[in-house]
Amino acid sequence: EAGVVQSPRYKIIEKKQPVAFWCNPISGHNTLYWYRQNLGQGPELLIRYENEEAVDDSQLPKDRFSAERLKGVDSTLKIQPAELGDSAVYLCASSLGGRNQETQYFGPGTRLLVL
Amino acid sequence: EDKVVQSPLSLVVHEGDTVTLNCSYEVTNFRSLLWYKQEKKAPTFLFMLTSSGIEKKSGRLSSILDKKELFSILNITATQTGDSAIYLCAGTPLGGTDKLIFGTGTRLQVFP
Repeated sequence: EAGVVQSPRYKIIEKKQPVAFWCNPISGHNTLYWYRQNLGQGPELLIRYENEEAVDDSQLPKDRFSAERLKGVDSTLKIQPAELGDSAVYLCASSLGGRNQETQYFGPGTRLLVL
Repeated sequence: EDKVVQSPLSLVVHEGDTVTLNCSYEVTNFRSLLWYKQEKKAPTFLFMLTSSGIEKKSGRLSSILDKKELFSILNITATQTGDSAIYLCAGTPLGGTDKLIFGTGTRLQVFP
């Protein structure tokens, strides 16, 4: 069974440039999460989707971050414009609905470096 | 504010040693605690604990939860170099948010 797929794996951009990350969750997983992991820290939730609906985006910096999950499968996370402090690993995770929702399966992440 | 604290932050051992990683939590309406292993890529799921005192085992790894004292431990026996990783602990609250609240992790290095 394929795991969570993310692309690109690495991205280097200059500040003020836009950047987008893509995630394809495990087939059949209705819930999709985007996390940001700063160096030496645990992942922090940015946004959670139930199918195509964003049900928790309280930690998403909405002035520069946006996300979408059209058709309730793939998702994209965008930053525009990027700032130096956005350098981090952006992890996507997915889970089944219902009682198994806590067991989240993570993708390999996109490592972003903003210069 | 919900938080998860892990200790030690870093641990260096030799192959064959046994290690114990600690995780304490303050999570509103706590539901479950999860352990993940993170190497140079995605965190991979190890255990989910919801009941106190029931040990979960997978090979040389085991974990247990104490809901009275609000902590969990992860034990690794007969460590191997392949166990070198960051071990993340996360708590989830009730209320349908299904938000994982992660600790900062324990970096384990196992030398031959």
